[in-house]
Amino acid sequence: DAGVTQSPTHLIKTRGQQVTLRCSPKSGHDTVSWYQQALGQGPQFIFQYYEEEERQRGNFPDRFSGHQFPNYSSELNVNALLLGDSALYLCASSSPARGLETQYFGPGTRLLVL
Amino acid sequence: DQQVKQNSPSLSVQEGRISILNCDYTNSMFDYFLWYKKYPAEGPTFLISISSIKDKNEDGRFTVFLNKSAKHLSLHIVPSQPGDSAVYFCAASRTNSGGSNYKLTFGKGTLLTVNP
Repeated sequence: DAGVTQSPTHLIKTRGQQVTLRCSPKSGHDTVSWYQQALGQGPQFIFQYYEEEERQRGNFPDRFSGHQFPNYSSELNVNALLLGDSALYLCASSSPARGLETQYFGPGTRLLVL
Repeated sequence: DQQVKQNSPSLSVQEGRISILNCDYTNSMFDYFLWYKKYPAEGPTFLISISSIKDKNEDGRFTVFLNKSAKHLSLHIVPSQPGDSAVYFCAASRTNSGGSNYKLTFGKGTLLTVNP
């Protein structure tokens, strides 16, 4: 049973560029949440997708956007990158509608903005 | 405003002894709590959870205790093993009117070191 997968594992960008991160949920899960983890901090909630729609959003600017596909996989897009966007980006999947509340995390994508 | 706090950045224990990791929260609407373990260069791994209708949940060597009146939870690991050395995150969420939990709010983590 494949767990949550994310790609790429590492990424280096420069300020002002745009980036797309990808996530495939755990088998049987239909809900994808994205988190940003800065160094020395706990993960911070960015947004959650269910049925291809953004269901809840954390305190992140509109530069952060996402998408969910019919196969439940998801993308996180960040426009106009800032140095402060350097972080580990985590994807988590769950299926609350099926009583599977626990969010399981992927290995993350480490983004460095220069 | 940090709603979930882990006040101990680090904890060191001897192999075989008990590890106790603590977590405090301020939002009384939280009703579901989880502990995750994280190794470097990996994503957080789910360990154990507890609903606010319970005050204890046990899974093998791991037990989570919830004290709602004090808004405090703790994770006990007995006996501790060197492989338990990792960063432990406490997380909390609230159930919405539809019965689902959305975002997790995390503490900053506690680095546990288990010495052989």
